[in-house]
Amino acid sequence: GDSVTQMEGPVTLSEEAFLTINCTYTATGYPSLFWYVQYPGEGLQLLLKATKADDKGSNKGFEATYRKETTSFHLEKGSVQVSDSAVYFCALDSNYQLIWGAGTKLIIKP
Amino acid sequence: NAGVMQNPRHLVRRRGQEARLRCSPMKGHSHVYWYRQLPEEGLKFMVYLQKENIIDESGMPKERFSAEFPKEGPSILRIQQVVRGDSAAYFCASSQEPGSAGYTFGSGTRLTVV
Repeated sequence: GDSVTQMEGPVTLSEEAFLTINCTYTATGYPSLFWYVQYPGEGLQLLLKATKADDKGSNKGFEATYRKETTSFHLEKGSVQVSDSAVYFCALDSNYQLIWGAGTKLIIKP
Repeated sequence: NAGVMQNPRHLVRRRGQEARLRCSPMKGHSHVYWYRQLPEEGLKFMVYLQKENIIDESGMPKERFSAEFPKEGPSILRIQQVVRGDSAAYFCASSQEPGSAGYTFGSGTRLTVV
């Protein structure tokens, strides 16, 4: 069945560092791909999405490109801030439900 | 537009009690989905409902769990005779059309079984 694999956390970076969180997927067809963010004690917010190969989703300085050839959707940000500390989830659309990665906790130190 | 409203935000139940979690979808949304997030894990799909119909309950545990989405009122996720392993965050999402591309999530209900 469809699945999503994310790099394990926690990922600890200093402020203004470059961020990459890896995400790869296994799926039949070409599903839409998503990144969600969960701040401490809060719900889930859609960060960005891409619906077809080579699409780039972007929001709040975060970017991810749908790579069909490597079945990947890595999340990147050029300069992280302390306020980016959260758990980040990669997910794919499988008909009407989302298949989720286990989440990657990001800790940004001042 | 108030978004997807879940209540309560936090719920504490003793082992053996019943837990009722409510989800009011966004205005105009007739599709509701429930997910469970166990500690330190990603979310797992539980059930997909439309008004008065269960479309897919393949992710629901076979016993003690049930869900409904009546013609009037919120969707309810019911857990009977709760056990410690039911402690988790339960998230509801709604959409106007079927499919996760149009999801809006609620803030979740954090259930603690003591």
